[in-house]
Amino acid sequence: GAGVSQSPSNKVTEKGKDVELRCDPISGHTALYWYRQRLGQGLEFLIYFQGNSAPDKSGLPSDRFSAERTGESVSTLTIQRTQQEDSAVYLCASRAGGRRADTQYFGPGTRLTVL
Amino acid sequence: DAKTTQPTSMDCAEGRAANLPCNHSTISGNEYVYWYRQIHSQGPQYIIHGLKNNETNEMASLIITEDRKSSTLILPHATLRDTAVYYCIVTSYNTDKLIFGTGTRLQVFP
Repeated sequence: GAGVSQSPSNKVTEKGKDVELRCDPISGHTALYWYRQRLGQGLEFLIYFQGNSAPDKSGLPSDRFSAERTGESVSTLTIQRTQQEDSAVYLCASRAGGRRADTQYFGPGTRLTVL
Repeated sequence: DAKTTQPTSMDCAEGRAANLPCNHSTISGNEYVYWYRQIHSQGPQYIIHGLKNNETNEMASLIITEDRKSSTLILPHATLRDTAVYYCIVTSYNTDKLIFGTGTRLQVFP
C-alpha cells in the first residue's frame, strides 16, 4: 500500500488506562503530523515531526499526551491515564520533504473511545 | 494565518455545479488559499490551492477574487460521492502546519 496507514482502526479503553496509537507514513515522507478530531468538529493539530528537527509539540493538550518518531518511519502517539474527553478520531498525515502545505496525505484515523 | 469564514452547510443537486464560498478578508500577500475535503469516516484529502490566479485541476476549480478577500471552490458536476466537509485554509506556502476550521458540510442529493 502506498498510503498512510494507522492502527488500530478502533480502540476502546477504560478511563485511566494508557493507549498507544501507531502511524506508518508514506515511505520517504520526512514530515509527519498528528491531529485529533472530536465528533462533529474540525481537526486539532497535536504534534509535527520534520526530519531530525525537534518536534513541534505546541498542540499537545496536556502532559498525558506524547509522541515519538524514529527517523523517518513509524510514529507512536501515546495517551496516558486516558479520560473520557480524549475520545476522538486521531488522524496521522505525512508529507514529502520541503515546506509546502498542499501535500499532506492523511491516514484513515484511529477511533478512540474511552469508557 | 488568516482566518476563514465558510457557511456551515450547503446542498447541491447531483449533476449540478457546487459552488462553495470562503471569505478570508485578512489574507496577506504571501498567503495561499488551500482546499481540502473530508468524506465521512476518512482522513482529509487535498483538492486544490491558489495564490491569486484561478486554478483548475481534475477535481475542481478555484476562483479567487481580484482583491483576494474571498474565493469559491467549484465542483462542476457534483456527484453523490462529493458529499463531504470542505475546508478552506489560508496559509503561507512555506508553513509547516495547516489550521483546519469547521468547514462547509456539502450534501449532494439525487
